Amino acid sequence: AQSVAQPEDQVNVAEGNPLTVKCTYSVSGNPYLFWYVQYPNRGLQFLLKYITGDNLVKGSYGFEAEFNKSQTSFHLKKPSALVSDSALYFCAVRDHSNDMRFGAGTRLTVKP
Amino acid sequence: DVKVTQSSRYLVKRTGEKVFLECVQDMDHENMFWYRQDPGLGLRLIYFSYDVKMKEKGDIPEGYSVSREKKERFSLILESASTNQTSMYLCASTGTGPGETQYFGPGTRLLVL
Repeated sequence: AQSVAQPEDQVNVAEGNPLTVKCTYSVSGNPYLFWYVQYPNRGLQFLLKYITGDNLVKGSYGFEAEFNKSQTSFHLKKPSALVSDSALYFCAVRDHSNDMRFGAGTRLTVKP
Repeated sequence: DVKVTQSSRYLVKRTGEKVFLECVQDMDHENMFWYRQDPGLGLRLIYFSYDVKMKEKGDIPEGYSVSREKKERFSLILESASTNQTSMYLCASTGTGPGETQYFGPGTRLLVL
């Protein structure tokens, strides 16, 4: 069965600095990888996904993620963080089935 | 835009009450899901449905049941609410195919006293 690990509960960055939120996965077969963001008391909003093709995926709000098959990773990145990026971020993986597995989440705090 | 709506944003219920959480999606998606979200545990799948009148257990179905009488509506039922069911409940829907994005509703924060 597929699984996802987000090794950091919390990431703190200064506004204007680059940010990275880490995600590693385990799946048999080809992975379908997703990033979601959750603001306080809201549902999850889709940011981006990797299905196939280019390993660098660009998504909403200036975020991007790089699929690395050899390291089984799909880290979320942004070149210049904003205070408004502060939120809870979830990585998710799906195999060929409809069963999607989510990580425990990483809380990103961007300080002015 | 995909829209997934949930009937309540906040609910307060008493132990032993029967609780209904409703979810409606407007994108004609075949697949619908109910998750609960707890701090440090991420999202855990309670039940999902691939079609009308069809349901499958997820990872934590105990104490819950579901109903899908129409394609757009998926209901989660707590037969007899307990305090350990205090949580954030999230509904999601998606089309067929593993590459399809899951779209989430705004969530229902349930407090069981």
